[in-house]
Amino acid sequence: DQQVKQNSPSLSVQEGRISILNCDYTNSMFDYFLWYKKYPAEGPTFLISISSIKDKNEDGRFTVFLNKSAKHLSLHIVPSQPGDSAVYFCAASVWDDKIIFGKGTRLHILP
Amino acid sequence: EPEVTQTPSHQVTQMGQEVILRCVPISNHLYFYWYRQILGQKVEFLVSFYNNEISEKSEIFDDQFSVERPDGSNFTLKIRSTKLEDSAMYFCASSRGGLAKNIQYFGAGTRLSVL
Repeated sequence: DQQVKQNSPSLSVQEGRISILNCDYTNSMFDYFLWYKKYPAEGPTFLISISSIKDKNEDGRFTVFLNKSAKHLSLHIVPSQPGDSAVYFCAASVWDDKIIFGKGTRLHILP
Repeated sequence: EPEVTQTPSHQVTQMGQEVILRCVPISNHLYFYWYRQILGQKVEFLVSFYNNEISEKSEIFDDQFSVERPDGSNFTLKIRSTKLEDSAMYFCASSRGGLAKNIQYFGAGTRLSVL
């Protein structure tokens, strides 16, 4: 039951370039979407979120885009930095409910 | 910056033994959660807790599992009789509620190894 799908298990990006991480979802009831970042031996760290009433949310180098008709969201990181190397989880929730996570995408920032 | 604290960081136990995983959520948060991540798999919801009772639980959270908030600060997950397949990272999370309810903050996790 993969309600949140991250189809790329890994992604390599040159330092300074844009990193684009993609996520698809199947449940049209989701109304809140989040991105978490995880380093080894640590818990997921909240990065940025977006409500379903918006199509874009920006916070510094991080921007999340939501395309509700396509049930697709993406996280843009620009410019990419070495410290951005981590596993990124896309997640979704229905208000008043649990978070459903994708399997994650491992981002490698190359020097 | 306030954070969710989990202890121990690693727990090794024999199959059939009881374990208690401990969490101290962020102090002004009202909603508490447990998730787990089996090695190589995704993070899965186990249970949510609000106002001193379970608000939702997944099919994983069977009668072997229980949660408790024994005092004003701790939030515990008990596994009564551990099985090999309970080996996983267990993450505690908390959220403030209101408009920020969906933003959950996670602890570093407890690695449970069942032998």
